[in-house]
Amino acid sequence: AQSVTQLDSHVSVSEGTPVLLRCNYSSSYSPSLFWYVQHPNKGLQLLLKYTSAATLVKGINGFEAEFKKSETSFHLTKPSAHMSDAAEYFCVVSDQPYKYIFGTGTRLKVLA
Amino acid sequence: NAGVTQTPKFQVLKTGQSMTLQCAQDMNHNSMYWYRQDPGMGLRLIYYSASEGTTDKGEVPNGYNVSRLNKREFSLRLESAAPSQTSVYFCASTLSYEQYFGPGTRLTVT
Repeated sequence: AQSVTQLDSHVSVSEGTPVLLRCNYSSSYSPSLFWYVQHPNKGLQLLLKYTSAATLVKGINGFEAEFKKSETSFHLTKPSAHMSDAAEYFCVVSDQPYKYIFGTGTRLKVLA
Repeated sequence: NAGVTQTPKFQVLKTGQSMTLQCAQDMNHNSMYWYRQDPGMGLRLIYYSASEGTTDKGEVPNGYNVSRLNKREFSLRLESAAPSQTSVYFCASTLSYEQYFGPGTRLTVT
């Protein structure tokens, strides 16, 4: 069975410092992995996706994630946080058609 | 393109009342989904439709029914609302693994 664990429910960083949001997954097959962002009172927007191509995936707004099979991880990073990055971030795994398992979310706070 | 649209945006129901949440997409996607989002629990799949004319249960289908009216529209019905169904409901459609989400419906059942 597939599952996903977001290791931090809240992360605070100062503007201009690096962001690291951690995600571990469990899957019996070769999974697809995603990061979504949700700003307050909005729907979810795709940041980036891994679907068995390059293990380092670049997304929108300067975010990246690296698929590490040996560590079953898919951590999200950004070199320099911006105030507009404050939002909730969801890691998602899918190894079966039509089945997407969402993590419980990490709320990112960016301090001025 | 409007993408994925949902109506209504907000709704308050009394226990036992019924209602239908509407969802439409204009991207010609085959598959559509209904999720609910509760604090600290991420999104959980209620029902999905792989293609027009088919629907299947997800993780939390009890108390809900769905209709895939045509390729564009996928509705979610609560026949007899319960306070446990207070949540934010999101509709999504998918192309090449990427899910496109609507803005959500915030439902409160009192």
